[in-house]
This record gives sequence, structure tokens and C-alpha cells, in this order.
Amino acid sequence: AQSVTQLGSHVSVSEGALVLLRCNYSSSVPPYLFWYVQYPNQGLQLLLKYTSAATLVKGINGFEAEFKKSETSFHLTKPSAHMSDAAEYFCAVSEGSGGSNYKLTFGKGTLLTVNP
Amino acid sequence: EAQVTQNPRYLITVTGKKLTVTCSQNMNHEYMSWYRQDPGLGLRQIYYSMNVEVTDKGDVPEGYKVSRKEKRNFPLILESPSPNQTSLYFCASSDRGYGYTFGSGTRLTVV
Repeated sequence: AQSVTQLGSHVSVSEGALVLLRCNYSSSVPPYLFWYVQYPNQGLQLLLKYTSAATLVKGINGFEAEFKKSETSFHLTKPSAHMSDAAEYFCAVSEGSGGSNYKLTFGKGTLLTVNP
Repeated sequence: EAQVTQNPRYLITVTGKKLTVTCSQNMNHEYMSWYRQDPGLGLRQIYYSMNVEVTDKGDVPEGYKVSRKEKRNFPLILESPSPNQTSLYFCASSDRGYGYTFGSGTRLTVV
């Protein structure tokens, strides 16, 4: 069974500082990995995804994530935080098209606060 | 525009009164799924469907039903809602696992 652990339910950074949101996963097959963002009172928006191509994945709004198989990690980073980045971020894993189950399993989320 | 459409966006109902939340996608995706989101718990899968007439339980299926009679539609049915089903619900569809598109959500309150 697959699972996702997001370290830190709440991360607070200053505007202009580095954003680092941590995600570790477990999967019995090569995973597909995703980061989603949820702004207040809105749905989930895909930030980026890893589907077994390049290990460094660039997404929207200046975010990127690196797939590290040896560490079973897929941490999300952004060099310089902006006030508009304040939101909740979810890491998710699926077993992809290799298996019959496309189930997306989510972490519990990390709330990012950006201080002026 | 490619999208997943859920209705209604907001719903307040009373315990025991049957309700249906509709979900429709226009991307010809085979895979569809329902999630509920609760504070501190993230999103948990309720039911999923691999194709028409093929559905299966997710992690928290108790108290819910689904059907998949057409490829585009995947309604979520609460036969006898209870207060512990108060939650934010999301429908999603996927093309072979490469991308998941989510609806805007349905905020359900059961009193």
C-alpha cells in the first residue's frame, strides 16, 4: 500500500525567503508523485508532477520538486516566497499507469504562511 | 474547457434525508474518484471507478454509494446522511494516472 508523509503541518516563512515543504512516500511500485495547492475556499490545483521522466520537476508559480528515490522523497521548493503563495499544499502519490490502480493517496497537508 | 463539474457547491441538510452530489467530466476519462477533505486528515478516497459499471471502495466508503452508468458522470449518494459526514467533497477524474483534474468541491453540512 502506498502512503505519504508530509513533515510539518504548518510552515511559516518570511516574504523573499526559501520555501521548503517536505514529502516522503512509500510505494511498492515506481510511483507517480504530485504536489497540489489549495487556496482558501477553493479546489485543488496541480503545481507539478513526476511521472518517471526528469527527476527535477518544474511547476507553476516558480515551484519545483526533486524526486530522490534513495530517500523516497519529493520535497517542494521555491527560492523566494511571495505573499500570494500562502495556501495549503498537498503531496500525493499514485501507482501510475503500470498498475491497475490509479488511486491517488494524499498526505495530510502543509499550511504555508508567508509573513511580510 | 476541460473540467470536472460538481453540484451543488454548498449543501445544508438534515440527518437522514437522502441526497446526491453530482459529478461530470468532459475529458473522456475512464477513471473517476470521490474524496472527502477534513481538517488535519487531508483527502481520503471514498469510492473510485475504473470505467462504466466498474466501481470499488476506497478508504472511507461507509455511508456512501456511487454509480457509473455513463462514462462522464459519477454521482455520490448519501442514503441517510449523518453529522459525521459533514465535510468538503471533491470529485476527480484521471487519464491513465498521468493527471488528475479536480472539481471545485461541495461543502456539505449535515445537522
